[in-house]
Amino acid sequence: ETGVTQSPTHLIKTRGQQVTLRCSSQSGHNTVSWYQQALGQGPQFIFQYYREEENGRGNFPPRFSGLQFPNYSSELNVNALELDDSALYLCASSPGLVRHRTDTQYFGPGTRLTVL
Amino acid sequence: SQQGEEDPQALSIQEGENATMNCSYKTSINNLQWYRQNSGRGLVHLILIRSNEREKHSGRLRVTLDTSKKSSSLLITASRAADTASYFCATDWAGGGADGLTFGKGTHLIIQP
Repeated sequence: ETGVTQSPTHLIKTRGQQVTLRCSSQSGHNTVSWYQQALGQGPQFIFQYYREEENGRGNFPPRFSGLQFPNYSSELNVNALELDDSALYLCASSPGLVRHRTDTQYFGPGTRLTVL
Repeated sequence: SQQGEEDPQALSIQEGENATMNCSYKTSINNLQWYRQNSGRGLVHLILIRSNEREKHSGRLRVTLDTSKKSSSLLITASRAADTASYFCATDWAGGGADGLTFGKGTHLIIQP
């Protein structure tokens, strides 16, 4: 157990809808990152938050947005869902001792999103 | 796009044998990490090796890093059925900024009892 939780476990949405996924990081971890993992692929970096500010972003469009809160929880929001957004969404927290370095990540179990 | 590439894509061995999987990457890195994933669930961190290290051990795991060849290997000794999983290497780019980890597509390891 990593101490990182995600909700919900599974979610089914329709194309064009909006979705909010939630993550609760380990207490004391300054950094949270979100990843998208399509079936049969490795995770792809969406963005990272450090002390409630976006700290870096991967190659994802602006309809993917996020928030990090002072209580070590965070959200991933996806607007205007597309079929290709169907994937496992993983959040990962880390102590964030060095702001622009990504050390050991503690992953949650993921949210399986299906877009119909 | 994914920077790392694991090799082989799939590996099936008998319980008790050693399993070796390799990873190649393309850019300068701060560190390279190996993760395990069981059946599409969350990833579990196995080991981190920094760019100035060449070899690291953790229990039955041995990781090597060759920055001149931009490659790493993960050796699991005396494999067990519970080691059946997908294994990913992930790199932290040294170019500055926070780009998270870049993962390969993984090696699917099956341990036959």
